[in-house]
Amino acid sequence: GDSVTQMEGPVTLSEEAFLTINCTYTATGYPSLFWYVQYPGEGLQLLLKATKADDKGSNKGFEATYRKETTSFHLEKGSVQVSDSAVYFCALSAVANQFYFGTGTSLTVIP
Amino acid sequence: EADIYQTPRYLVIGTGKKITLECSQTMGHDKMYWYQQDPGMELHLIHYSYGVNSTEKGDLSSESTVSRIRTEHFPLTLESARPSHTSQYLCASSDSGTTIFEETQYFGPGTRLLVL
Repeated sequence: GDSVTQMEGPVTLSEEAFLTINCTYTATGYPSLFWYVQYPGEGLQLLLKATKADDKGSNKGFEATYRKETTSFHLEKGSVQVSDSAVYFCALSAVANQFYFGTGTSLTVIP
Repeated sequence: EADIYQTPRYLVIGTGKKITLECSQTMGHDKMYWYQQDPGMELHLIHYSYGVNSTEKGDLSSESTVSRIRTEHFPLTLESARPSHTSQYLCASSDSGTTIFEETQYFGPGTRLLVL
């Protein structure tokens, strides 16, 4: 069945460091791929998405490229800030009404 | 910014009580979802709805029930709360976009439930 596997955390980085959170997927069809962010005490917020191969989603300095050949959608940011500390979820949707989420990766950025 | 609301945000209640978690959205979305999020952060789909008078059980078995009498409202009810129900409950809705490939879920802020 469809599934998402993302890098286990927690991840701790110093401010201005480069961030990569790995996400790979398994899907029978042609999924849309998403990254969501969850700040402490809040729900999930859509960070970025890509709907077809080679698309790049970007938002707030984060970006991820839909790689069909490696079934990956890794999240990257060139220079993280303390305010980026949160839990990040990779997700896919290949069939209407069906969304599959990864287990979440906790990121802490220290000054 | 998504307009989806959940109340209460926090609830502490005794075993055996009946509770209803409210979820409302003002985006006119047909599809709505309830997730249970465990302390390890993983999300589990417990209920979803395609539209008014439609409700389906999700992947994770749950003792809760839902109703969808109005498009904007998707409440979740626990008839008799137990400590095992302690969790965070997230409500979401989704637009259909022009194709299923553009469908995106939007989440409410969550209800954190503690059953003593």
